[in-house]
Amino acid sequence: DTGVSQNPRHKITKRGQNVTFRCDPISEHNRLYWYRQTLGQGPEFLTYFQNEAQLEKSRLLSDRFSAERPKGSFSTLEIQRTEQGDSAMYLCASSRRQSSYEQYFGPGTRLTVT
Amino acid sequence: DQQVKQNSPSLSVQEGRISILNCDYTNSMFDYFLWYKKYPAEGPTFLISISSIKDKNEDGRFTVFLNKSAKHLSLHIVPSQPGDSAVYFCAARKAGTSGSRLTFGEGTQLTVNP
Repeated sequence: DTGVSQNPRHKITKRGQNVTFRCDPISEHNRLYWYRQTLGQGPEFLTYFQNEAQLEKSRLLSDRFSAERPKGSFSTLEIQRTEQGDSAMYLCASSRRQSSYEQYFGPGTRLTVT
Repeated sequence: DQQVKQNSPSLSVQEGRISILNCDYTNSMFDYFLWYKKYPAEGPTFLISISSIKDKNEDGRFTVFLNKSAKHLSLHIVPSQPGDSAVYFCAARKAGTSGSRLTFGEGTQLTVNP
């Protein structure tokens, strides 16, 4: 069990550029979640996958955001035409279906949009 | 609509004493509650959880108490150690939510002084 990993750890981009983040969950976990955390707040749910199926999306996930989990293993989160308001920590978590409330988080990707 | 609220942004205690972190919620449909600990530049680390059908769960130095009538839960850390200094998040899951999205509070910064 190597834990949830995320890459890159930090990303600085200019407004209007596209960015993509990767998450590798714990290997036996079939559920994968994306959250966003801004300063002084707790993580906010964005979307979740069970295997390769994206089953729920938050209203926070605007049409500039897209997430995929093509083979039910790693996942990518892409933000198109980034805005300064997208600056945040993007967290990935994974869980087993049977105890899906116990979610294990990765270290996050810190996005700064200048 | 902040459904999970941690009203104390910070708490300072002496090493060896008890730390009590509090959390209030408004949604009676929550069926699992969790506490996470977060160090700077790391993702949240799962600490302990409690089902809504219980009123207490203990794991080593950590005990979570749930008062459903008051919609209140607390995390007790005894004895507190300097390594416990971190931000603590309370989180909750809504029953019947197939995806198990977690709703987080804003966090409480705990500082344990040697």
